Amino acid sequence: AQTVTQSQPEMSVQEAETVTLSCTYDTSESDYYLFWYKQPPSRQMILVIRQEAYKQQNATENRFSVNFQKAAKSFSLKISDSQLGDAAMYFCAYTTSSYNNDMRFGAGTRLTVKP
Amino acid sequence: DVKVTQSSRYLVKRTGEKVFLECVQDMDHENMFWYRQDPGLGLRLIYFSYDVKMKEKGDIPEGYSVSREKKERFSLILESASTNQTSMYLCASSSEQNYSNQPQHFGDGTRLSIL
Repeated sequence: AQTVTQSQPEMSVQEAETVTLSCTYDTSESDYYLFWYKQPPSRQMILVIRQEAYKQQNATENRFSVNFQKAAKSFSLKISDSQLGDAAMYFCAYTTSSYNNDMRFGAGTRLTVKP
Repeated sequence: DVKVTQSSRYLVKRTGEKVFLECVQDMDHENMFWYRQDPGLGLRLIYFSYDVKMKEKGDIPEGYSVSREKKERFSLILESASTNQTSMYLCASSSEQNYSNQPQHFGDGTRLSIL
């Protein structure tokens, strides 16, 4: 079975500091795409960042960056200069090119930001 | 921006009732999805559709059915609601263009309680 594992159910970070959320995945596909989604308390899931597996360069979006280790099947999210608005559930997900955008999600990490 | 609208934020129904959850997207997306979200389990795919009148089973289709009569609308049906279907339900859509690396766009979710 193809799975996504987020080993940290909860994390907390002090405002303005940096936090890293972990994600590992298991797929036999060679071509796939990885995503981090954020779900704030208002509940709408929004895309934070995405990474194509064929790209060696780690994706970056402003304060959000990933550490993609393909051989280890690891895809962690780093949030720099954490803000109160970053508090949310974060989900790691991936999809392969072998089917119609069927996306697999991890169980999520709840991030708390302390003022 | 993509808008995915779910008809209800909160819904309370009784065991045995037939329940309809509606989802509409305004971006002419080919793919639409229904997930349920439970604490500690992340998002699990119930059904998805890649075209009008087309549907595919996800990981947990038992007890559910879907309908896609128009491209913009994807309905989830609980044929005979049971208490173990109490959950948060999320609808999503995505474009088929380079389908496997297009992010999914989510609605606000429907919190369904079956009494």
